[in-house]
Amino acid sequence: EAGVTQFPSHSVIEKGQTVTLRCDPISGHDNLYWYRRVMGKEIKFLLHFVKESKQDESGMPNNRFLAERTGGTYSTLKVQPAELEDSGVYFCASSEMRGAWREQYFGPGTRLTVT
Amino acid sequence: AQKVTQAQTEISVVEKEDVTLDCVYETRDTTYYLFWYKQPPSGELVFLIRRNSFDEQNEISGRYSWNFQKSTSSFNFTITASQVVDSAVYFCALKTSYDKVIFGPGTSLSVIP
Repeated sequence: EAGVTQFPSHSVIEKGQTVTLRCDPISGHDNLYWYRRVMGKEIKFLLHFVKESKQDESGMPNNRFLAERTGGTYSTLKVQPAELEDSGVYFCASSEMRGAWREQYFGPGTRLTVT
Repeated sequence: AQKVTQAQTEISVVEKEDVTLDCVYETRDTTYYLFWYKQPPSGELVFLIRRNSFDEQNEISGRYSWNFQKSTSSFNFTITASQVVDSAVYFCALKTSYDKVIFGPGTSLSVIP
């Protein structure tokens, strides 16, 4: 069974440009999460989808970030316009709907560099 | 409130030394999971171990071992006979009945040849 995949693995853009990160969860996983680790700090939660609905977006830093999950399958995270402080690694995770503990499986991450 | 503390920001050891990474967590939930992840320079998160709150049995996997003590809310990680390939940032994490995984700030381990 394929794990969580993320694309691209690495993106280098200039300040002010737009970048879209993609996450494909494990097939059948209704829960999808975005996390990020920026500037050598801790990994922080961004948001949580249940199918196509945003369950919790309390971690989204500002309105330059837009996450979507149309159709409840893959998700995109768009940063527009990108700022230097957005550089870091963006992780996606997914989990099943069933089960009290809904273990999260993490993808390999997208390393974003804003210059 | 849920919180994970890793007091050691950076550790540097010479190859073949043993090293222990500390993790202290806070939660009011009686049922929870604890994790350790490794983030090598390449950036991906590598899952190392999961422990649930009802299982305080210590675990050993090769050169890695974990000491879970509920009495002190600690989940420490020891690498025996460290190797250069162990150089990475190590994260301790907590998950309760809420869906978020709470990560500690990470400990950057450098193993010097």
